[in-house]
Amino acid sequence: QLQLQESGPGLVKPSETLSLTCTVSGGSISSSSYYWGWIRQPPGKGLEWIGSIYYSGSTYYNPSLKSRVTISVDTSKNQFSLKLSSVTAADTAVYYCARIPILTGPSFDYWGQGTLVTVSS
Amino acid sequence: QSALTQPRSVSGSPGQSVTISCTGTSSDVGGYNYVSWYQQHPGKAPKLMIYDVSKRPSGVPDRFSGSKSGNTASLTISGLQAEDEADYYCCSYAGSYTPYWVFGGGTKLTVL
Repeated sequence: QLQLQESGPGLVKPSETLSLTCTVSGGSISSSSYYWGWIRQPPGKGLEWIGSIYYSGSTYYNPSLKSRVTISVDTSKNQFSLKLSSVTAADTAVYYCARIPILTGPSFDYWGQGTLVTVSS
Repeated sequence: QSALTQPRSVSGSPGQSVTISCTGTSSDVGGYNYVSWYQQHPGKAPKLMIYDVSKRPSGVPDRFSGSKSGNTASLTISGLQAEDEADYYCCSYAGSYTPYWVFGGGTKLTVL
């Protein structure tokens, strides 16, 4: 059974960089059949796609966040990571990682449980 | 890219059917047969309910169905049950040159 687990600091100061890691278990992040993605949800609000990565390292970002986002992959650890720079209170959200199948339709079929990141001094 | 448009809330009684709409543009919903729908209960991660407009993942009841016409997709839940009360989000692939996804604002389903 595939599982994804987000980890990282729950509190980040304004102007600093938010860093999260998603650890994948029960499957290989190096599979050519999937992208891997990050999605966030501010408290009481809707979902927003942040960006996605392929095991080869190709990345795709939401244009609204592109200047501040970096997503990377570590196939040796079966992990992929998110960095969001120059954060403000507006970046406070639950951050989810998810798997995106390529061949059966580009949807988000497995999700991590999510991790709340609060931006505050 | 703007978020897809969903009604803020819908409601129905047990056993009834409800439909949630999701309106986009020809660059997203209308341009690809890659609309997906997610169910989210409070404090939980979203769960994939429909992908590729109308396909159900294994384990999703056939009470859930999806369709699309032009720039508007729809999720229909028939035979409403109390456990269907949740937030529902649509999502469309919109990557003409590079992969890109856009979500709807979400719809709160209340089972009366």
